[in-house]
Amino acid sequence: DVKVTQSSRYLVKRTGEKVFLECVQDMDHENMFWYRQDPGLGLRLIYFSYDVKMKEKGDIPEGYSVSREKKERFSLILESASTNQTSMYLCASRPPRDRDEQYFGPGTRLTVT
Amino acid sequence: AQSVTQPDIHITVSEGASLELRCNYSYGATPYLFWYVQSPGQGLQLLLKYFSGDTLVQGIKGFEAEFKRSQSSFNLRKPSVHWSDAAEYFCAVGSFGQGGKLIFGQGTELSVKP
Repeated sequence: DVKVTQSSRYLVKRTGEKVFLECVQDMDHENMFWYRQDPGLGLRLIYFSYDVKMKEKGDIPEGYSVSREKKERFSLILESASTNQTSMYLCASRPPRDRDEQYFGPGTRLTVT
Repeated sequence: AQSVTQPDIHITVSEGASLELRCNYSYGATPYLFWYVQSPGQGLQLLLKYFSGDTLVQGIKGFEAEFKRSQSSFNLRKPSVHWSDAAEYFCAVGSFGQGGKLIFGQGTELSVKP
């Protein structure tokens, strides 16, 4: 079974802090994704990566950056957390074949106070 | 613009009743389509997917979905709902050559009455 893990299930941070969310997958997938999930808005893509050190902006990249130094790990960075970044963050991975789905981690619920 | 619409934010059905969750999409390329389910506090689990071929696809947990190109729809159905089906359901669309990127609908929350 594919396993995607996220470093924390719940996280509370203060406004202005630098926040790191970590995601690790164990299936050697090339593609990895970061989403945020908000009620009534579904999942919105923040960034995705199609290879080590390669990244591409999604629909809502403002206020976020990412890092992918190793194939299995994809990090989401909030440079200076703000209250409007309080949300559920979901990581996903996927092999490069077109007919494959994304596999999701359990999510990190981030609260910025 | 590319989009996915799930018109029903919240649906309540009685246990044992049939279920249909609606999904409509607007997408320029030939789409491939997914339904995911999210139980409370959990990540998303794939229920089923459609790429080509038979427009009626079977998934896990007794779910099925039908792709109707003329209506730009991919509705999810189950003939008899169980209390454990209470969850949030997401429809998503992507296309070949997009690196696996998906566009998700807003989600439909399903409640099941005893």
